[in-house]
Amino acid sequence: AQSVAQPEDQVNVAEGNPLTVKCTYSVSGNPYLFWYVQYPNRGLQFLLKYITGDNLVKGSYGFEAEFNKSQTSFHLKKPSALVSDSALYFCAVRDRTGGSYIPTFGRGTSLIVHP
Amino acid sequence: DAEITQSPRHKITETGRQVTLACHQTWNHNNMFWYRQDLGHGLRLIHYSYGVQDTNKGEVSDGYSVSRSNTEDLPLTLESAASSQTSVYFCASTSGTDYNEQFFGPGTRLTVL
Repeated sequence: AQSVAQPEDQVNVAEGNPLTVKCTYSVSGNPYLFWYVQYPNRGLQFLLKYITGDNLVKGSYGFEAEFNKSQTSFHLKKPSALVSDSALYFCAVRDRTGGSYIPTFGRGTSLIVHP
Repeated sequence: DAEITQSPRHKITETGRQVTLACHQTWNHNNMFWYRQDLGHGLRLIHYSYGVQDTNKGEVSDGYSVSRSNTEDLPLTLESAASSQTSVYFCASTSGTDYNEQFFGPGTRLTVL
């Protein structure tokens, strides 16, 4: 079984400050992990993913995420937030050993960046 | 450029009517998915397909059906629309490599009165 949790419904940060959106996961084997962003009235857009190798993954728009196996976490980070980063962020996990292409999505975290 | 499109973007219908939402992708992806998005629930999988003539039920499949007659299209049908099916519906696709990300359509906002 696979599951993912985003413990914060909303994250507020001031423009220019670093941001973190949290994600923890549970899988039977090893995970593929993904972050997506959704802007208002749009579909989800892929930001970055962890497959294997380096625990720090860099993605689009200056975002990065750190895979931490011992804490089963994959937090999304950005050194300096922009107002335009305000959106809904989804973490997703897929168990490598399941043989399925079906990811499990978190409930989403609304990021609000204040000017 | 390859893309995934959905139509209509907005639909208002009445309880009991049959409704079909279209999804068309030009990525030539084998795998296609339908999700619904509701406040507090995130994304929930309705149906998915791994190829032509293949369809599978997701976690919230009751009241919905899909068919896959070609690679490009996976239409979603609500057999008899209910108010509980008022939602935003997203179609997604991905290639056959298991670590690849999904590509999402722009969504269809469906209101059942």
